[in-house]
Amino acid sequence: QKEVEQDPGPLSVPEGAIVSLNCTYSNSAFQYFMWYRQYSRKGPELLMYTYSSGNKEDGRFTAQVDKSSKYISLFIRDSQPSDSATYLCAMKTSYDKVIFGPGTSLSVIP
Amino acid sequence: DVKVTQSSRYLVKRTGEKVFLECVQDMDHENMFWYRQDPGLGLRLIYFSYDVKMKEKGDIPEGYSVSREKKERFSLILESASTNQTSMYLCASSLNRPYNYGYTFGSGTRLTVV
Repeated sequence: QKEVEQDPGPLSVPEGAIVSLNCTYSNSAFQYFMWYRQYSRKGPELLMYTYSSGNKEDGRFTAQVDKSSKYISLFIRDSQPSDSATYLCAMKTSYDKVIFGPGTSLSVIP
Repeated sequence: DVKVTQSSRYLVKRTGEKVFLECVQDMDHENMFWYRQDPGLGLRLIYFSYDVKMKEKGDIPEGYSVSREKKERFSLILESASTNQTSMYLCASSLNRPYNYGYTFGSGTRLTVV
C-alpha cells in the first residue's frame, strides 16, 4: 500500500460546480496536511495548509482533515476554468520530509 | 515575493553528456530538494539537503549526484545522461521547522535526452 493515495482522474466538471478532491493515507503520525496546485508546465504552488484535524476555509477553497479515517479533502466552490490544474495532496510529520500524493487532474469546462 | 529559481526551463542534451541543473532560492531556507515528475508516477525525490555541504539520498538517486556549496544554491548533476532521465525536474526549498508551511517549488526544468 502506498503511503498516500489519490485518484488521478482526470476529473471534468462544468463551470460553477462544487469539486471534491480526496486523499487517503496510511501513516497515523502525519500532522501537517497540504494541498498544492500545479498548472501545466509549472511547478506546484502551495494552496492550503492545515494542522491536525478540522476544516480550514480560504475563499472558494475548503480543506478538511479527518485523522480518525486518515482522509483529507479539498472542496472548491463555484469552480472556474482557471481552477483547471493538477491538485496534489501532501502531508508530513513534525520534522520529516513532505510526502506527496500522485495528483488529480481537474478540468473545469466553461 | 519568495522565490526558487531554476536556471533553465527547457534543456536538450545528448546521451552520455554530463548535465548540470541549477537551483537558487532567496528565502534563506535550510532545506533544499530535487524531484523528478513523470506522468503516472508523480513526484519522486532524488536528493535533498538539510544544510550546506550536506546531502541525503532520496528514493531514486541512481545516476544523479548533487552539490550544495552555498546555502542558497543546490545543483543536480546527471553524470552521464541517458534517455530514461528525460523528465521534468523540480527544485524545492523549505524552512527546517515542524510548521514550515511546506515547500516552495521552482518552475521546473524540462530535460530531454536524445
